[in-house]
Amino acid sequence: DAGITQSPRHKVTETGTPVTLRCHQTENHRYMYWYRQDPGHGLRLIHYSYGVKDTDKGEVSDGYSVSRSKTEDFLLTLESATSSQTSVYFCAISESESRGTQYFGPGTRLTVL
Amino acid sequence: AQTVTQSQPEMSVQEAETVTLSCTYDTSENNYYLFWYKQPPSRQMILVIRQEAYKQQNATENRFSVNFQKAAKSFSLKISDSQLGDTAMYFCAFMDYGGATNKLIFGTGTLLAVQP
Repeated sequence: DAGITQSPRHKVTETGTPVTLRCHQTENHRYMYWYRQDPGHGLRLIHYSYGVKDTDKGEVSDGYSVSRSKTEDFLLTLESATSSQTSVYFCAISESESRGTQYFGPGTRLTVL
Repeated sequence: AQTVTQSQPEMSVQEAETVTLSCTYDTSENNYYLFWYKQPPSRQMILVIRQEAYKQQNATENRFSVNFQKAAKSFSLKISDSQLGDTAMYFCAFMDYGGATNKLIFGTGTLLAVQP
């Protein structure tokens, strides 16, 4: 199994508070991704990174920001959480674009009250 | 834009029998990957099988095999000798090989229940 951890694994917070989720990998993979999973939608890409300090938006990026200061860490921040951001968040990594396959972390369940 | 469709929200199969999960996709690209991921109740996303579009041979991993029909844009997953541990949500996913993001596009999933 790919060495990917996410923290926290569960979080309950209130509307309007900032929240940061962390993804940590031990595989030294270049590409990292944040997805959210909601019923009826499968997984949808929020943001991704193609290297240290290199990030870009996915299809559902509004209300989220990311940072990657080290190869192994990719942070997802909700600046002011809303109830619509209640979801399960997955981090994924891949070695290179030619290898293609993404491996997923265990997920974080976030509830915004 | 690429889309992935899984038309079977739920399926059930008896232990030891064979089941096929359907997936269709829409793309104008010629080079891409297709995947099946499994998500058991633990919530972990587990890669089941991967298919490169340029390969005509269908991918196989032990009891799991695919029927890849490129012209029809169909990518079904066959599970043989179903086991209780196969109970999970199964997601079909597409990735454009030449895309800048390696973004995975997921279907909405099929919930498979293996009955004893």
